[in-house]
Order: sequence, then C-alpha cells, then structure tokens
Amino acid sequence: SQTIHQWPATLVQPVGSPLSLECTVEGTSNPNLYWYRQAAGRGLQLLFYSVGIGQISSEVPQNLSASRPQDRQFILSSKKLLLSDSGFYLCASSPASGRAYQETQYFGPGTRLLVL
Amino acid sequence: AQTVTQSQPEMSVQEAETVTLSCTYDTSENNYYLFWYKQPPSRQMILVIRQEAYKQQNATENRFSVNFQKAAKSFSLKISDSQLGDTAMYFCAFMNNDMRFGAGTRLTVKP
Repeated sequence: SQTIHQWPATLVQPVGSPLSLECTVEGTSNPNLYWYRQAAGRGLQLLFYSVGIGQISSEVPQNLSASRPQDRQFILSSKKLLLSDSGFYLCASSPASGRAYQETQYFGPGTRLLVL
Repeated sequence: AQTVTQSQPEMSVQEAETVTLSCTYDTSENNYYLFWYKQPPSRQMILVIRQEAYKQQNATENRFSVNFQKAAKSFSLKISDSQLGDTAMYFCAFMNNDMRFGAGTRLTVKP
C-alpha cells in the first residue's frame, strides 16, 4: 500500500516570502498526485493535479504553482505569499491510471501554513 | 458542474448508538464514484468507504455502511455502534472527471 509524506508539518511565513511544500509517495509507481487546500472549518478545494512527471493541471487561478520533478514527488510553491494563502494543504495520491480521477485518492498528513 | 451537499453542519450521537450522515449530489453523469472521508482532529483525511455508481449493492466496511440511492442522488453514511474515536469531520466526495467535496459534517460521539 502507498504511504504519502508531507513536510513541513507546520509553517509560519511572512507575507511576501516564498513557499515550498513537498509531497513524496512510497509504495507505488507513476501515481496521480493532487494538491488540495482546506481553509479553516471548510471543505477541500483542489488546486493542482498531475498524471506524470512534468505534467501539471491547475484547477483554479491563484498565487501558487506546482511541479513534479520526479515520479513520486510533488511540490507546491509560491514566489510571494499572500495572507489568503493561509490554510491546510493536503497532498493526495491515487494509483496510476493515465487519467486523473479514476482511482481512489489517499491523503498525506497535511501541512499547516500560516501567513502573517 | 458536479456539486456535493452535506446539509448537516454538526451532529452528535451517544456512544454505542447509530447515526446517519446525509449527502446529496448533482450530476448528469451515469458512471462515477462516491466516497466518505473522515478527518479527525489530527486533520489527516482517512478513507471510510467507497461506492461505485454502477453497483446497486450498498458498500459496507465493518460498522460503516452507506445507503446509495442513485435516482435520488443521495449517499448517506450510517455509523453503527458509535465509538468515541468516530468523533471527526466527515466529508462526502464525488468523483468523475474531477473530485468534489461537500462542506463536511462535524460528528461528536458523546460518552
């Protein structure tokens, strides 16, 4: 079974600073990977997904970007953080299928980001 | 676009009793997947149960079962013999060409 790692677990950053959140997956090859954001007390909003190395699809326009430099590594970045970027960021993985949204998604432990 | 509605922001249940969480969705698709995820205070999202729309039989996982009514676009979660560890946010989710989550139901199991 796959294991999803995320770090850091918690991050406090000033407005205007850069961001890099990392997600890595073990126990599977060529997974579909997803980044979600969860605002306090709210549901999940899909930010990006990837079906392979270098393939990124964005679901909503925003201040963030994503990259997939390796098969099981997914990175969420920003050049300049905004206050509205605060939230809980979850990485999810689903088995390889060539297309997104074909298999069950499993989630990592998440990163709490507070922008001050 | 698919939407997922959880009409119960908060619910509570006594330990050992049964509780049902509601979820409705809107779609014009015939083939899709439905999920219930649990998010305890640690905030990790944990898969509780999955239902394929083409299956008429309701999914069951130990104390967790669903009532899937495809025509009514309803997908409720029943938790039997509730335990204190079931206290969490519960999210209903729909998947077909994208993934949509409901706003969640906060469930508290009382001793």
